[in-house]
Amino acid sequence: GESVGLHLPTLSVQEGDNSIINCAYSNSASDYFIWYKQESGKGPQFIIDIRSNMDKRQGQRVTVLLNKTVKHLSLQIAATQPGDSAVYFCAERGNFGNEKLTFGTGTRLTIIP
Amino acid sequence: GAVVSQHPSWVICKSGTSVKIECRSLDFQATTMFWYRQFPKQSLMLMATSNEGSKATYEQGVEKDKFLINHASLTLSTLTVTSAHPEDSSFYICSARRDSGNQPQHFGDGTRLSIL
Repeated sequence: GESVGLHLPTLSVQEGDNSIINCAYSNSASDYFIWYKQESGKGPQFIIDIRSNMDKRQGQRVTVLLNKTVKHLSLQIAATQPGDSAVYFCAERGNFGNEKLTFGTGTRLTIIP
Repeated sequence: GAVVSQHPSWVICKSGTSVKIECRSLDFQATTMFWYRQFPKQSLMLMATSNEGSKATYEQGVEKDKFLINHASLTLSTLTVTSAHPEDSSFYICSARRDSGNQPQHFGDGTRLSIL
């Protein structure tokens, strides 16, 4: 949904553990979802995407789960590393014939050595 | 992988001047590019959709005369902040996507604009 000026949710995870970052999206008509990672002072970096006709997709150390019933998206990162510390955003694309993305508020992930 | 280059990465200028930011897709053609604005500790807010060869589509509340967008080629879009004032200080980020199929937007590394 629309982002608002709130403090970023934070998640601290021990290095080597798995992390799960959650996102609630607003538009039941959205047909495509993306997770981005943003490090300080840089632009968002693509991690993984999923279409609405799927409920799970796996990448290298990452898995995205989509639950359309409750409009929920999650990103699982396996065996977290210090380099995973960043802000993670989910983004949804509404099924309106354009390519506009709506970004979530973001979650700051901190990996504890 | 897809690469989007944004220039400059940092601009400091006096109030009243105009600033141009360039966004290039380096290894693919992009009919559509996007311009976002991001305030500290906040998410990305879409400002406008840049369309090659036609006028940009601005989001509600974004002044088109203030933020001029030109998308003259399939690999270059520019955002000009005209008569910039301190409240225009922000992090501006562009993105581009390949024209074919379900493709994600790929982002540049942003431009930090500081107006004194």
